[in-house]
Amino acid sequence: GENVEQHPSTLSVQEGDSAVIKCTYSDSASNYFPWYKQELGKGPQLIIDIRSNVGEKKDQRIAVTLNKTAKHFSLHITETQPEDSAVYFCAASIQTRVKTSYDKVIFGPGTSLSVIP
Amino acid sequence: DARVTQTPRHKVTEMGQEVTMRCQPILGHNTVFWYRQTMMQGLELLAYFRNRAPLDDSGMPKDRFSAEMPDATLATLKIQPSEPRDSAVYFCASGQGVTYNEQFFGPGTRLTVL
Repeated sequence: GENVEQHPSTLSVQEGDSAVIKCTYSDSASNYFPWYKQELGKGPQLIIDIRSNVGEKKDQRIAVTLNKTAKHFSLHITETQPEDSAVYFCAASIQTRVKTSYDKVIFGPGTSLSVIP
Repeated sequence: DARVTQTPRHKVTEMGQEVTMRCQPILGHNTVFWYRQTMMQGLELLAYFRNRAPLDDSGMPKDRFSAEMPDATLATLKIQPSEPRDSAVYFCASGQGVTYNEQFFGPGTRLTVL
């Protein structure tokens, strides 16, 4: 089955600096890669996702890149702010258009990001 | 705004007791997921339903855990009997569509089994 690894497990950056979190996956059939942010005491929330037919996607200060050949993808946060402090999870999934498709999502272990003011 | 609700938010119980956690998915969502989060194991998928039918519960200990959707507005996760190793935060999430879409997570139920 799919296995998702994530590094680093903890990351501290100064406010205004960039943060990069890297993930690898094992199943070459995976074609959907969401990133979730979990703030203290809350459930994870989707912040950005990327599908296997694109190599990069940006949304304001957040960007994701995907290297299908190497089976790794990364989250980049620029101009970090204290409110970016949270646990970030990468995930991998196989999406199909079949109604009975098995679209189980496998999450990485998480990265605890601290942005120091 | 629409959101997934979970009750109770916190539960402390003694080993051997039955625990029932409830989830109300976002109206119109047809897929419901149950996850367990611990420091050691991270986010583990326990079970998920589509259109109230269970599609996968392979992540759930069958001898003590059960998940049901009595109707489209309620999903339940039951543990009987509970054990200290069940202590974790349990999240419910819902989504919509035939293919995978964003999962909307509830606030979680923090379970402590003494």
